This record gives sequence, C-alpha cells and structure tokens, in this order.
Amino acid sequence: EDKVVQSPLSLVVHEGDTVTLNCSYEVTNFRSLLWYKQEKKAPTFLFMLTSSGIEKKSGRLSSILDKKELFSILNITATQTGDSAVYLCAAPMDSSYKLIFGSGTRLLVRP
Amino acid sequence: NAGVTQTPKFRVLKTGQSMTLLCAQDMNHEYMYWYRQDPGMGLRLIHYSVGEGTTAKGEVPDGYNVSRLKKQNFLLGLESAAPSQTSVYFCASSRSGSEETQYFGPGTRLLVL
Repeated sequence: EDKVVQSPLSLVVHEGDTVTLNCSYEVTNFRSLLWYKQEKKAPTFLFMLTSSGIEKKSGRLSSILDKKELFSILNITATQTGDSAVYLCAAPMDSSYKLIFGSGTRLLVRP
Repeated sequence: NAGVTQTPKFRVLKTGQSMTLLCAQDMNHEYMYWYRQDPGMGLRLIHYSVGEGTTAKGEVPDGYNVSRLKKQNFLLGLESAAPSQTSVYFCASSRSGSEETQYFGPGTRLLVL
C-alpha cells in the first residue's frame, strides 16, 4: 500500500533558527514528490521534485529528493514567524495523478 | 482570476440532513478533486474528475456523491450527513493528469451534529 510519512509531527523553534522537515515515501511507480505549505486555509504549492540529488530553492526554502533512500527533506533557514504553518508532502499514487498526502508537520516559529 | 473557490465556507448540519458543496475554478483545468482533512490524517481523496461529465472514486468515497456537469464546477454531495463527516473539505484542480501541481480552494468547514 502506498504511503507517505512525515516527521516530526510538530516543531517549535525561535526566529532565526534553521529547520529540517522530513518526508519518507513508499509509492508504486514513483514519479514525483510535492511539498505544500498550509497556513490557515488552502495548501499552497512549494516544490515538485522528480530527480534525485537536485536541490530546488525558493528564497529561504529548499528541498531535495533521495530516490535511493526514498525520502525528501525541506529546509527552512533563518526562520520567521510567517513560516509558521503545516507543511505537507505528497506523491502521486500508483502511476496516477491522485495524490497521497503525509499527515503534515506543524511548525511554530516563536519571535 | 480567482483560482479555486468554494462555497460555503462553513456549515453546521444535523445528522441525516443533506447538502451540496460547490467548487469552482476559472483556470480551465481538466482535473478536479475533493479531499477531506481530519486532524492527524493529512488530506484524503474522496472523489475526483478527469473532465467534464466524468467522476471517479478516491480513497474515502463512501457517503459522498459528486457531479461535474460543467468543466469549471465540481459538486460534492452528502445525502445523509453523519457525525463522522465532520471535517474540512478542500477542492483542488490541476491542468491535466501529467501536471501534478494541484491548486487548492480555501476549504469548507463542516460540522455534523
């Protein structure tokens, strides 16, 4: 059965800290892994990773995929209170476009 | 360009009542999805549609029905609401099946008493 597992479930840090969020997956015919940020409402797309070892960056956020070890990490450097959110990772299941989501990591950045 | 919109934003139902949640997208996307999000369980796919007039079951379809009569709209129906359907419902759309970036609506919070 396809699954996506995220850790930790929650994390509390102070502004300026660097955090690493983890996502491991077991997905048949894996094609890609996606990261979303969910604040109060809709998840918003961050990254899509398809190739192993190639880092994607957007400002203070970066992500990388390891297809051999079946995981991805999301790094946030110099965290700000606006980074407080639930971060979700997801993968299309079984060669389809239907996404299977992890349960998310809730990040709280304190001033 | 509003993206994906959902109505209503919040609703309280009594057990056994019915209701329809509306999702609309103005991006001309072919694929649309309905998810529910419960604490500690992430997002789970209820039903999806790969084009106007088509629908298919996702992971947790029981107790829900859907219709896609127009390309821009995807309706989620609850015929006889149960407390287990208390959740936050998200609609999403994507350009095609190969374009895996899904764009989400703001969600509908549903409470079934």
